[in-house]
Amino acid sequence: GQSLEQPSEVTAVEGAIVQINCTYQTSGFYGLSWYQQHDGGAPTFLSYNALDGLEETGRFSSFLSRSDSYGYLLLQELQMKDSASYFCAVRGNTGKLIFGQGTTLQVKP
Amino acid sequence: GAGVSQTPSNKVTEKGKYVELRCDPISGHTALYWYRQSLGQGPEFLIYFQGTGAADDSGLPNDRFFAVRPEGSVSTLKIQRTERGDSAVYLCASSSRDSPYNEQFFGPGTRLTVL
Repeated sequence: GQSLEQPSEVTAVEGAIVQINCTYQTSGFYGLSWYQQHDGGAPTFLSYNALDGLEETGRFSSFLSRSDSYGYLLLQELQMKDSASYFCAVRGNTGKLIFGQGTTLQVKP
Repeated sequence: GAGVSQTPSNKVTEKGKYVELRCDPISGHTALYWYRQSLGQGPEFLIYFQGTGAADDSGLPNDRFFAVRPEGSVSTLKIQRTERGDSAVYLCASSSRDSPYNEQFFGPGTRLTVL
């Protein structure tokens, strides 16, 4: 089977740094993606790790450790607009994504 | 350019009825995915098309669900004999074969409500 675990909720203040962890158990692993989804909106791509290490894209960074079946999304200089749900997703061999249940991030002033 | 579009945005139907949900992917994207998302959950994979063929339909829950992509562009998800448990937001995504990140571009979804 396949399963991903991430915290259900995280709260932080504007300007802070927050880390959202993701652990996974999958029968096939081709990479870990992160998507952001605002209420009522479509998921949008943030980051992708196929190999171990850190990927940085502006205020967002993502890390992967394949040996630990673990990754995280790091959001820096938090802004109110970052309040959203964040999903980690394992990429399967056909490119399909298996999503976690999502982490709701609330940014407070 | 235009993103992924889905129609209708909302669909209310009665239990037992047949529904069709349409997806227009980004022009030139050969890969097309259908997912469904229940409230408070992550998207759940249904089916993947590469061109006209269904390359992976392992996520379809049962034989009431069927999808086509006859010309390798627009796709239609068809649900027969709808049940209340089918109520969810149905998301379509497309991606380019050349994308190194397997970035999938999602449409706004169709919210299906089965009464």
